[in-house]
Amino acid sequence: KAGVTQTPRYLIKTRGQQVTLSCSPISGHRSVSWYQQTPGQGLQFLFEYFSETQRNKGNFPGRFSGRQFSNSRSEMNVSTLELGDSALYLCASSLGARGRGGAHNEQFFGPGTRLTVL
Amino acid sequence: EDQVTQSPEALRLQEGESSSLNCSYTVSGLRGLFWYRQDPGKGPEFLFTLYSAGEEKEKERLKATLTKKESFLHITAPKPEDSATYLCAVQAEYNFNKFYFGSGTKLNVKP
Repeated sequence: KAGVTQTPRYLIKTRGQQVTLSCSPISGHRSVSWYQQTPGQGLQFLFEYFSETQRNKGNFPGRFSGRQFSNSRSEMNVSTLELGDSALYLCASSLGARGRGGAHNEQFFGPGTRLTVL
Repeated sequence: EDQVTQSPEALRLQEGESSSLNCSYTVSGLRGLFWYRQDPGKGPEFLFTLYSAGEEKEKERLKATLTKKESFLHITAPKPEDSATYLCAVQAEYNFNKFYFGSGTKLNVKP
């Protein structure tokens, strides 16, 4: 089974630009979560999508947005980039089911997109 | 507020020197606790899920245990290839869609 894939792997942008990152989950997984990882803040939750609906959102400004398509693929968009947005952006997929126990709860991560804002 | 705290922040071991990493949590109703391993510049790799106090899981030199307030990741006779950052995450019953991550323990095993 193919793992979670993220594209592109590396991006260099300048302040004020916008960027779109893509994530393809594991086949059969309907939940996609996005995280920002920086050396100082660790893994910070951005948002989670399930069946094209945003179910959860972290404490990030409105410049960060996302969406999910009917095939469960997800995109994340950051507008008006700031220097502080430089980070590793990680996507994780899971079945997203509410059932207790079993294999329903584990999240599996992609390799990440390294964004550098100059 | 739900929180996850990992200690120590960094740990240096000699090859073969066993030790434990700690993950303490405060969450209203634990649904699951997860351990991940992360190598530099890569995404976290899933290791274990623990659901209830007293549960234990093992994989090669790693063993994870869970109590009502904390989890331990025991590393027995580590090798240099075990060097990585180990992350702990919890999932609450009331909000199973969201995972709360600790800041990680950076493990360095010297040959």
